[in-house]
Amino acid sequence: ELKVEQNPLFLSMQEGKNYTIYCNYSTTSDRLYWYRQDPGKSLESLFVLLSNGAVKQEGRLMASLDTKARLSTLHITAAVHDLSATYFCAVDLLWRNTGKLIFGQGTTLQVKP
Amino acid sequence: DGGITQSPKYLFRKEGQNVTLSCEQNLNHDAMYWYRQDPGQGLRLIYYSQIVNDFQKGDIAEGYSVSREKKESFPLTVTSAQKNPTAFYLCASRPGDSGANVLTFGAGSRLTVL
Repeated sequence: ELKVEQNPLFLSMQEGKNYTIYCNYSTTSDRLYWYRQDPGKSLESLFVLLSNGAVKQEGRLMASLDTKARLSTLHITAAVHDLSATYFCAVDLLWRNTGKLIFGQGTTLQVKP
Repeated sequence: DGGITQSPKYLFRKEGQNVTLSCEQNLNHDAMYWYRQDPGQGLRLIYYSQIVNDFQKGDIAEGYSVSREKKESFPLTVTSAQKNPTAFYLCASRPGDSGANVLTFGAGSRLTVL
């Protein structure tokens, strides 16, 4: 059974600081996704990582994928309040032709002024 | 504009009643999904469908049923057998072929059992 685990689950940080969210998964997958969810809202796609060593950056967020370690990271640089949200990683079992996409528990980020 | 429409946005149900949540997409996507989200928790997969007239159970299918008679529609019925149905329900879709295959989500339906 595929398990996707994020840590930390909750992160409170000051504006201007850096931090990393970790996403570990238990089975082989070459596709990993990061999503953002604002309170009471739906999910918005942030990054798609398709191969080992993939790195994507958008503004103050940078995501990377290490398929050998079964680990993805979402790094936050110089956090600002607008980044406060819940971040989810998700692992794709499409390569097994199941179409299944499994999410981690989510990391709630609170950026304080 | 292409997207996913979920309705209703809010729904109140009495215990013992079945309710159906609507999900319609005009993205021409092959695959559609239903997820459940409980407060402070992640998304759990209820059912998914990769093609019309076919669907598979996810991790928490008990007490739910779906149909996929049309490519653009994937309604979810929450039956009275679902013991704790109060949750936020999210419908999603994606092309279903190889490639980046990013899920597109609807705005969600919030179900409350009174």
